[in-house]
Amino acid sequence: AQTVTQSQPEMSVQEAETVTLSCTYDTSESDYYLFWYKQPPSRQMILVIRQEAYKQQNATENRFSVNFQKAAKSFSLKISDSQLGDAAMYFCAYGYNAGNNRKLIWGLGTSLAVNP
Amino acid sequence: EPEVTQTPSHQVTQMGQEVILRCVPISNHLYFYWYRQILGQKVEFLVSFYNNEISEKSEIFDDQFSVERPDGSNFTLKIRSTKLEDSAMYFCASSLGGGNNSPLHFGNGTRLTVT
Repeated sequence: AQTVTQSQPEMSVQEAETVTLSCTYDTSESDYYLFWYKQPPSRQMILVIRQEAYKQQNATENRFSVNFQKAAKSFSLKISDSQLGDAAMYFCAYGYNAGNNRKLIWGLGTSLAVNP
Repeated sequence: EPEVTQTPSHQVTQMGQEVILRCVPISNHLYFYWYRQILGQKVEFLVSFYNNEISEKSEIFDDQFSVERPDGSNFTLKIRSTKLEDSAMYFCASSLGGGNNSPLHFGNGTRLTVT
């Protein structure tokens, strides 16, 4: 069965600094997607970044980038130039491609605090 | 930007009562989902819905749960006889396409408290 593990329940970073959130997963599939979602106090789950497993190039979205290590089954999120608005719960999620299957498997989340 | 909206934001109910959680997906989306998050636990998939029928459901989604798209805009989750362990945050999501290359858009969630 697929599992997603986030080993850091809480992290903090100084404003303008860089922080890396860890995620590991387990799967026997070869075709899948990995996601990072952000959940601010407003509670809405917001997609931060997405990585297709077949792509070797790491995804980037502005200040957000991932380090995808497929062999190690690792998918970390790097936030550069951290801003106060980045403070939120961050969830790593796994989704495998099986037709219209959208059953995402989630980690427990990492609570990120940004200190001014 | 279009949003998924959920109502109510917080629902308190007594054990054994029926509850209906409401969601309005993004208007041109075709795939709809419910997830839940029990406090301190992982977000869990409940059900996916497409073309007016359930396309997949988890083990959690037993006979006490049902979903419906009663009109062209709403997507509801009904729990027939609530239990204490149904207390959780329930998230509705929608997507334009069914594959993982079509992002899920989530609502703000409904916090259900069963007393």
